[in-house]
Amino acid sequence: GAVVSQHPSRVICKSGTSVKIECRSLDFQATTMFWYRQFPKKSLMLMATSNEGSKATYEQGVEKDKFLINHASLTLSTLTVTSAHPEDSSFYICSAGTSEYEQYFGPGTRLTVT
Amino acid sequence: SQQGEEDPQALSIQEGENATMNCSYKTSINNLQWYRQNSGRGLVHLILIRSNEREKHSGRLRVTLDTSKKSSSLLITASRAADTASYFCATDALYTGTASKLTFGTGTRLQVTL
Repeated sequence: GAVVSQHPSRVICKSGTSVKIECRSLDFQATTMFWYRQFPKKSLMLMATSNEGSKATYEQGVEKDKFLINHASLTLSTLTVTSAHPEDSSFYICSAGTSEYEQYFGPGTRLTVT
Repeated sequence: SQQGEEDPQALSIQEGENATMNCSYKTSINNLQWYRQNSGRGLVHLILIRSNEREKHSGRLRVTLDTSKKSSSLLITASRAADTASYFCATDALYTGTASKLTFGTGTRLQVTL
């Protein structure tokens, strides 16, 4: 089956620094990737839709200047959390869509901002 | 986007028993999917049911969909300790052209004890 990887799986950074999270589709091409955020014991909240070669579409309430998304190729999307603060600590999950119905999720990245 | 509600929020059963989780949503949908998430991990797709379907089976899983009530249920029969996880329903209503945006329910945390 289709595999999506995320790197890093865990990252700890200091407040004020920026962190980049990579999402890769390993054996398929994904024109569309999605980025989600999940708080402990909570559901996934869609942050943005990332389309290859175009600007990401952000959900209401998500700061596009804080969460920079780049989808430079059909197999890679990156999420950069800029000037991270403790409240940005969360579990970030990406998914890659292969068709109208199918999405494959990455294993997630645990971000802790100290 | 609005999220669906799932109940119960937490469910504890003994191995061998059946587990039933319910999901309600608010808008018209194209499809409804169920996902499983082990603690701190990514999501695994379990089953998809289309809006014109009423029931679907996959192994020990049985999913029903009632579009008139905007609700779905997931039944896991003969549960095993390995079924311990969080279960989420996800609805899609907007097709972006290559993949649909998903709206996740609040999730049910299932604990199966020996």
